[in-house]
Amino acid sequence: GAVVSQHPSWVICKSGTSVKIECRSLDFQATTMFWYRQFPKQSLMLMATSNEGSKATYEQGVEKDKFLINHASLTLSTLTVTSAHPEDSSFYICSAQSGITDTQYFGPGTRLTVL
Amino acid sequence: QQQVKQSPQSLIVQKGGISIINCAYENTAFDYFPWYQQFPGKGPALLIAIRPDVSEKKEGRFTISFNKSAKQFSLHIMDSQPGDSATYFCAAHHPGANNLFFGTGTRLTVIP
Repeated sequence: GAVVSQHPSWVICKSGTSVKIECRSLDFQATTMFWYRQFPKQSLMLMATSNEGSKATYEQGVEKDKFLINHASLTLSTLTVTSAHPEDSSFYICSAQSGITDTQYFGPGTRLTVL
Repeated sequence: QQQVKQSPQSLIVQKGGISIINCAYENTAFDYFPWYQQFPGKGPALLIAIRPDVSEKKEGRFTISFNKSAKQFSLHIMDSQPGDSATYFCAAHHPGANNLFFGTGTRLTVIP
């Protein structure tokens, strides 16, 4: 149980385009989902927290207009990187948490490369 | 400010040996301490977790030791195998913020 999927697993896009990443909890309802960014050989950096049906809460320094997060249902959250630039290239990972426990289950990650 | 300090940064262990990774924290509000295992190009996978009312938890070859007074916790991997080679992250959960604060990670290499 507690499986979280992400799609796509990797994406290459041109500078200036927008990219949408989906995060789904497959076997449980996720009241809260989290989006992280990870640079090579570094720890996870929390970008934002989203609760189903509410606006996301962004961490300090994360541009909410650039990283649009939507948590429309208890099993789906999306992260849209708008007007992507090469510096946005990174490994993006989501995690999901049910309302019953504070355990976070992570997705497999999405490798974004912006040319 | 790093809320959770993790050491060592890297660790090399012989097959069959014991791998020990340590973490320390300051905020006594933390209420849950998970360890995650991450392979290259993959998301972190929950390995084992502990709450501060317990001093030790064991699951198979993995054991967490928790010292509440010292605000330290550690992961012990017994009989380490080459397949255990990965990066390990400790974390601490803050109930108010409902956030996980991660350590900086330990890259474990188990040599045959």
